[in-house]
Amino acid sequence: AQSVTQLDSHVSVSEGTPVLLRCNYSSSYSPSLFWYVQHPNKGLQLLLKYTSAATLVKGINGFEAEFKKSETSFHLTKPSAHMSDAAEYFCVVSESRSSASKIIFGSGTRLSIRP
Amino acid sequence: DGGITQSPKYLFRKEGQNVTLSCEQNLNHDAMYWYRQDPGQGLRLIYYSQIVNDFQKGDIAEGYSVSREKKESFPLTVTSAQKNPTAFYLCASSGIRVGTSGPGELFFGEGSRLTVL
Repeated sequence: AQSVTQLDSHVSVSEGTPVLLRCNYSSSYSPSLFWYVQHPNKGLQLLLKYTSAATLVKGINGFEAEFKKSETSFHLTKPSAHMSDAAEYFCVVSESRSSASKIIFGSGTRLSIRP
Repeated sequence: DGGITQSPKYLFRKEGQNVTLSCEQNLNHDAMYWYRQDPGQGLRLIYYSQIVNDFQKGDIAEGYSVSREKKESFPLTVTSAQKNPTAFYLCASSGIRVGTSGPGELFFGEGSRLTVL
């Protein structure tokens, strides 16, 4: 069975500094991996997804994530934080199988940006 | 426009009552999902369905029931057996990811907020 662990419940960075949100996963099969963002009182938006074509995945708003199979990690990064990045971020895993695909969310990381 | 419609947006229930949350999609997606969102716990999977007339329990299915009689519809019933039903409920759907058998991007409805009085 698959699972996903977001290692930090809250991350605070200064505007203009790098962002790192950590995610580890567990999967018996080849996983599909996603990052979603939820701004306050807004719906969930897809940031990026791992398609197995490339281990470094680029998403929207300057975010990217690297799939590391040996470390079972899919950390989300951004070189320079912006005030508008303040939100809740969710790492998501699904096992790629021909039968039913269960999609599991991590518990979320709240990102705060200091001026 | 294509999308997912959840109703009602807000719902109040007395203890001991069953309530049904509606979820309809016109994206022609095979897979549909119900999640519950509580502060600090992320989204937890209640039930999911890959095809009509078939569905599987997620991680927190106790006290909930679903049906999938039509591809477009996946209603969730919160029964009186659910001990702590006050929460925000999100319905989602996905197609198949291109080139694989795995799921593509999840598309979400706007959610239903259930409060038990």
